[in-house]
Amino acid sequence: DTGVSQDPRHKITKRGQNVTFRCDPISEHNRLYWYRQTLGQGPEFLTYFQNEAQLEKSRLLSDRFSAERPKGSFSTLEIQRTEQGDSAMYLCASSLWAGGSSNQPQHFGDGTRLSIL
Amino acid sequence: KNQVEQSPQSLIILEGKNCTLQCNYTVSPFSNLRWYKQDTGRGPVSLTIMTFSENTKSNGRYTATLDADTKQSSLHITASQLSDSASYICVVSARGGSQGNLIFGKGTKLSVKP
Repeated sequence: DTGVSQDPRHKITKRGQNVTFRCDPISEHNRLYWYRQTLGQGPEFLTYFQNEAQLEKSRLLSDRFSAERPKGSFSTLEIQRTEQGDSAMYLCASSLWAGGSSNQPQHFGDGTRLSIL
Repeated sequence: KNQVEQSPQSLIILEGKNCTLQCNYTVSPFSNLRWYKQDTGRGPVSLTIMTFSENTKSNGRYTATLDADTKQSSLHITASQLSDSASYICVVSARGGSQGNLIFGKGTKLSVKP
């Protein structure tokens, strides 16, 4: 399967702990996105990368959140000092941007479901 | 304020029947509108992408329509199957907008019953 893969699929941790998620995009895709989705809601944009550069961050991305894409391939999303409100599905998506309009679809992974006890 | 509203919130239909999901948006200036299907516990999967000049686009039993004047879109599912049970999410992007300006609707949860 050459789609977007995310690891782990599920993470349960105690409040205050740090967690890190990994996303492996489709290999030829230069853009990578992170979203958060809570039950009954659509995904909310967190941040995105073009190659290794982080080009945009949402106001939702507090100081406790950090994302990296060091070699322009896989990406990690770290949440420090987790809070119960961080419980959500964290989705990663990738796309191929070749300039101009943004009509290429984003291909999503199946997400990491985070539960904070 | 850029918003995407979907209706109904949820829908139950019998297998083999047709249904239509609605999406109204206030995003401006408009660039494109996308419909995604999201199975429970999975990531969204793209069904269609429509630009300003496109009125209709089909993907198998899924047909999306777009009226850019009234800022409305619909997703019509023909001859529904049990596997169509999922949430359908409408996403609108603004021309010249940032990637964060992909505005997601909350989705319509469709249940197809035998």
